[in-house]
Amino acid sequence: DVKVTQSSRYLVKRTGEKVFLECVQDMDHENMFWYRQDPGLGLRLIYFSYDVKMKEKGDIPEGYSVSREKKERFSLILESASTNQTSMYLCASQIQGYEQYFGPGTRLTVT
Amino acid sequence: SQELEQSPQSLIVQEGKNLTINCTSSKTLYGLYWYKQKYGEGLIFLMMLQKGGEEKSHEKITAKLDEKKQQSSLHITASQPSHAGIYLCGADQNAGNNRKLIWGLGTSLAVNP
Repeated sequence: DVKVTQSSRYLVKRTGEKVFLECVQDMDHENMFWYRQDPGLGLRLIYFSYDVKMKEKGDIPEGYSVSREKKERFSLILESASTNQTSMYLCASQIQGYEQYFGPGTRLTVT
Repeated sequence: SQELEQSPQSLIVQEGKNLTINCTSSKTLYGLYWYKQKYGEGLIFLMMLQKGGEEKSHEKITAKLDEKKQQSSLHITASQPSHAGIYLCGADQNAGNNRKLIWGLGTSLAVNP
């Protein structure tokens, strides 16, 4: 079974803090994704990566950056957290042409 | 308006009843993915459809992609409380480059025992 893990299920941070969300997959997938999910807005793609050190902006990249130094690990960075970044963050991985596999999610609250 | 519309938004059914959820695209679908999400958790992959007219089943859940490839339906037969959750469809509208999917807003399903 494909396993995608995320570093935290719940996280509370203060405005202005730098926040790191980590995602690890164990199936050698080339593609990895970061989404946020908000009520009424659905799933929105923040960034994705199609190879080590390669990344591409999604629909809402502002305020976020990503890092992929190793194939199995994809990190999402909030440079200076703001309250409007309070959300559910979901990581996914994929072999090109097939379905995406999702992690359990991180519910981030920025106060 | 949404490029990918799901209907209904929410559904409450009695255990044992059949139900259908629809996912309608404003563009041709090159791939359609159905997922289920328990509240506050990640998405669980159910089925992927790529060819017009394709139909797939898993246990009591059947998904179809219509011939014109702009709509998919998810049908649950003899629903059970374990079917409760949010059902999401994701669509590849980009001629096979399925790295950037469009997502529906989800259908929330409750099954009363």
